[in-house]
Amino acid sequence: TQLLEQSPQFLSIQEGENLTVYCNSSSVFSSLQWYRQEPGEGPVLLVTVVTGGEVKKLKRLTFQFGDARKDSSLHITAAQPGDTGLYLCAGVRAGNQFYFGTGTSLTVIP
Amino acid sequence: EAQVTQNPRYLITVTGKKLTVTCSQNMNHEYMSWYRQDPGLGLRQIYYSMNVEVTDKGDVPEGYKVSRKEKRNFPLILESPSPNQTSLYFCASTPVGGTNQPQHFGDGTRLSIL
Repeated sequence: TQLLEQSPQFLSIQEGENLTVYCNSSSVFSSLQWYRQEPGEGPVLLVTVVTGGEVKKLKRLTFQFGDARKDSSLHITAAQPGDTGLYLCAGVRAGNQFYFGTGTSLTVIP
Repeated sequence: EAQVTQNPRYLITVTGKKLTVTCSQNMNHEYMSWYRQDPGLGLRQIYYSMNVEVTDKGDVPEGYKVSRKEKRNFPLILESPSPNQTSLYFCASTPVGGTNQPQHFGDGTRLSIL
């Protein structure tokens, strides 16, 4: 059983469209990180959210941590082909152990 | 250049033949960990280490061993590999465990156990 469930698992959209990826859990996390992974490479950190209700923006990407620190979302505005990749959320519990979500594979079609 | 280096990048081997995947980081990070990545399951933590000589089990430690004799190295050992350990493995390091700092990942090791 996965501690963090991501949806959707696959997403294929046209360039310029908006999208939202969800990361849900029944557990509370001290922080939530979002990573992007390209084929043949390891994940690279996009953002860390720490406070319940926190919203962070990274250019066209908006990240939100749920008020209860159990869930998070990633919203991309006007998606571009360069946004194509695997998006992973990761929660930190008990200070030491990381739990990753199941991943969302995004394809942006030019 | 700050990096996490894994070797080998690819390995095909047979059931029962002991193997070691090495991981080295040059950032003086205290926290290191190993993950396996399987389709539909995301990354699952195998073992992690808060510092030298301190290791702890992650979510899926069965069939794996690790050691942390030096700060920079964190090898993953499969004493008797089995086909269900065929996977993509990643090593990662973080400056200090228990914080919100980013994990730095290696480029992965693809293991195939026949």
